[in-house]
Amino acid sequence: DAGITQSPRYKITETGRQVTLMCHQTWSHSYMFWYRQDLGHGLRLIYYSAAADITDKGEVPDGYVVSRSKTENFPLTLESATRSQTSVYFCASSDRGINEQFFGPGTRLTVL
Amino acid sequence: GQQLNQSPQSMFIQEGEDVSMNCTSSSIFNTWLWYKQEPGEGPVLLIALYKAGELTSNGRLTAQFGITRKDSFLNISASIPSDVGIYFCAGQRVSGGSNYKLTFGKGTLLTVNP
Repeated sequence: DAGITQSPRYKITETGRQVTLMCHQTWSHSYMFWYRQDLGHGLRLIYYSAAADITDKGEVPDGYVVSRSKTENFPLTLESATRSQTSVYFCASSDRGINEQFFGPGTRLTVL
Repeated sequence: GQQLNQSPQSMFIQEGEDVSMNCTSSSIFNTWLWYKQEPGEGPVLLIALYKAGELTSNGRLTAQFGITRKDSFLNISASIPSDVGIYFCAGQRVSGGSNYKLTFGKGTLLTVNP
């Protein structure tokens, strides 16, 4: 399907476990972004990528790792999940030269 | 990171009423975007603005890029129940460092009473 997809949509894990959230876009957009959304904080940027193999930290990168070996995929890994990482995670993409970002449906992550 | 000042935080209106919300900042922006988010979904782009003073419509929605480049407004005319959701503003600052990063408001929760 065309667009931007995220998987899983829901995930429950335990403290200390490694978790990977997947993001896939079919537009061949250059830029991809990971945000977390929490009550009282709005959307906060975790990491972003300008192209394959180019990533950079956002506002709240601690505890997260990203990679981008292919243009269309941008996985986000929580190396050792903590309860404070319970959140809704959104992936977004945008094309080079365009500021409009298009969001995926989100992954609701609960860390017990 | 910097957040945009979005107001009001919430609105409870009757169907058929018009709605206005706005975002302000102390920084200058070169792009303003307005998104709508429904429960359990990701934000959906409604309107994009690229020029100071620009007024753009999308159906019953109209948004404006403020002349000072530090604010933007979104109006919804003749509201209907499906307008319910959280409306976010987002902007890209002129001197925001890395390209294509957006700054987001905290959202306006809109409730429409049928």
